[in-house]
Amino acid sequence: DTGVSQNPRHKITKRGQNVTFRCDPISEHNRLYWYRQTLGQGPEFLTYFQNEAQLEKSRLLSDRFSAERPKGSFSTLEIQRTEQGDSAMYLCASSIGTGAEAFFGQGTRLTVV
Amino acid sequence: GNSVTQMEGPVTLSEEAFLTINCTYTATGYPSLFWYVQYPGEGLQLLLKATKADDKGSNKGFEATYRKETTSFHLEKGSVQVSDSAVYFCALSAEDQKVTFGIGTKLQVIP
Repeated sequence: DTGVSQNPRHKITKRGQNVTFRCDPISEHNRLYWYRQTLGQGPEFLTYFQNEAQLEKSRLLSDRFSAERPKGSFSTLEIQRTEQGDSAMYLCASSIGTGAEAFFGQGTRLTVV
Repeated sequence: GNSVTQMEGPVTLSEEAFLTINCTYTATGYPSLFWYVQYPGEGLQLLLKATKADDKGSNKGFEATYRKETTSFHLEKGSVQVSDSAVYFCALSAEDQKVTFGIGTKLQVIP
C-alpha cells in the first residue's frame, strides 16, 4: 500500500460549477477524514467517517458540501455551486484505532475562478 | 470543544541553533498529542507523537514531552539544520476521535 491517495491533485473550476474529489485511504484504516487548508492556516476539520458511517460534520460546513464513503473504502467530497471562497487545499487522511495518528494524502488544490 | 494553541511564526534561526515551538491544548479526557510537519510543496507528515502523560515522543532529533499538568507539548530540537525548514503543526486526538490542529508555525533555518 502506498499511502493515502487523492485525485485530482489540482482542479480549476468556474464559480457555480460542481466539483468532486476522491480519496483512497490506506486499506486497513477504518477512519477517514476530510480537512480544508488555506494559506497560513492549519487544517480545518470538515467531516469524518468510521467505515461507511459519517460520524461528524463540521457545523461550519455549508450545505453545498457533501461527502460519502459508500463501501467503507474510498470517499468522495462534492462541492456544489462553487464559490471563490471555496478555493483551498482539500486534504484527506485515514487512521485506525482510537487516538491514533492520521496519515494524510497530498491533497487536492481547488481554485475557483 | 478541543483546541490547540501554538506560537505564531515565522521563526527564523541560524543553523545549529536550539529550537522550541510552544504548544498548549484544551481537551476533554486524555488526548493523544502529535506534531506534524509540512515541507515546502509536500503533504503533512507525522513527526512524533505521545499518547499519555509524561510520554516523550522523538524523531529526527526532535522531541516533545506530554505535560498534563501544564497541558503542553512543546517541540524542541537541539541543533536545527537548513533541511528542517518547514511548517510545524501541533495536533491532538481526543474522545471525539478527530484530529484537531493548531495554526502551524513556519520555521526558516538560514545557513
